Amino acid sequence: DTGVSQDPRHKITKRGQNVTFRCDPISEHNRLYWYRQTLGQGPEFLTYFQNEAQLEKSRLLSDRFSAERPKGSFSTLEIQRTEQGDSAMYLCASSPPGNTEAFFGQGTRLTVV
Amino acid sequence: KQEVTQIPAALSVPEGENLVLNCSFTDSAIYNLQWFRQDPGKGLTSLLLIQSSQREQTSGRLNASLDKSSGRSTLYIAASQPGDSATYLCAVRLTGGGSYIPTFGRGTSLIVHP
Repeated sequence: DTGVSQDPRHKITKRGQNVTFRCDPISEHNRLYWYRQTLGQGPEFLTYFQNEAQLEKSRLLSDRFSAERPKGSFSTLEIQRTEQGDSAMYLCASSPPGNTEAFFGQGTRLTVV
Repeated sequence: KQEVTQIPAALSVPEGENLVLNCSFTDSAIYNLQWFRQDPGKGLTSLLLIQSSQREQTSGRLNASLDKSSGRSTLYIAASQPGDSATYLCAVRLTGGGSYIPTFGRGTSLIVHP
């Protein structure tokens, strides 16, 4: 499968714990986006990477959230001290150079109990 | 700030009907618009991408149109089938800045019953 891959698909964690999600974009895609989606809503933008540089961050990305894309390949999204309000689907998308069409992964469903 | 609105929020129709889903956006300086399909609990699947210079795109039973001046796009689904049941999302990218970050609407939840 050469699509965008996200791991894990599901995560249940206790409030206050830290969690980390991984996204592997399509090979040679230089743009990578993270979104959060809650039930009945559209995806909300969190952060954007071009290669290894994090170029934009939403105000939704509080100081408990951090994202990295070392070497411009896979990306990780970490949430520290999780809260119940963090429960959502976290989606990753990538786009190739010279083309803005976005390809999404299957998402990571986070449940904070 | 770009705002994207999708109407209706939900739609339930019998199989075989032709459907029109609407997407409107507030800033007409768009780079392109992309329609997606999302099945429950899944990621997004790209359906159609319309560049700002285009008026429409077609793929099988799907046709998407774009009217930048009025800030509207429509997704037309011909001869709907139960397998079309899903949430349909539109996403708009603005020109400038170079990031081309898609802004999404809330989606239209479609149920096609046999």
